[in-house]
Amino acid sequence: GQNIDQPTEMTATEGAIVQINCTYQTSGFNGLFWYQQHAGEAPTFLSYNVLDGLEEKGRFSSFLSRSKGYSYLLLKELQMKDSASYLCAVKSNDYKLSFGAGTTVTVRA
Amino acid sequence: IAGITQAPTSQILAAGRRMTLRCTQDMRHNAMYWYRQDLGLGLRLIHYSNTAGTTGKGEVPDGYSVSRANTDDFPLTLASAVPSQTSVYFCASSSGTSGSDTQYFGPGTRLTVL
Repeated sequence: GQNIDQPTEMTATEGAIVQINCTYQTSGFNGLFWYQQHAGEAPTFLSYNVLDGLEEKGRFSSFLSRSKGYSYLLLKELQMKDSASYLCAVKSNDYKLSFGAGTTVTVRA
Repeated sequence: IAGITQAPTSQILAAGRRMTLRCTQDMRHNAMYWYRQDLGLGLRLIHYSNTAGTTGKGEVPDGYSVSRANTDDFPLTLASAVPSQTSVYFCASSSGTSGSDTQYFGPGTRLTVL
């Protein structure tokens, strides 16, 4: 089976930086995805990593280390609208996505 | 641009009843998926279809069936609903099944089985 771990909850202040960690143990590796999900809504795609290193996209960055089975999502200059759940998902050997339980980020004024 | 639509938005169902959740995409994506999302468990794959005419079982397929008669539609059927099938159901699609192919999600169906 697949095992994907991420913290349950995180709280940060508006304007600050938050780092959401994700560790995984899967049957093979064909990429790691991060999704954002606001309460009551569908997950929306944020980022994709398949090679080691940092991918930057505006205020959001995602990092991958395949040898460590580790990724993080970095949210900079936090805004109130960033309050949401962030889902880490790994595509394994069978090209199916396995999701972590999600990290709920609360941004305080 | 609609993307993926799901119907109904929400439903309350008596145990033992049959229910079909509908999913339609207009992106001409080859692959489609059904997930359920439960608190603390994350999204779990129920069934998938890599291309029209083919289907496969995911992590939690028991009690569910699917069909893929054409590219656009991927209905999920609960033959005889049970309370443990109370969940939020998301349909997703992707252009293909390679590593970089991103899955895009529909708005979800909230199902309560009493």
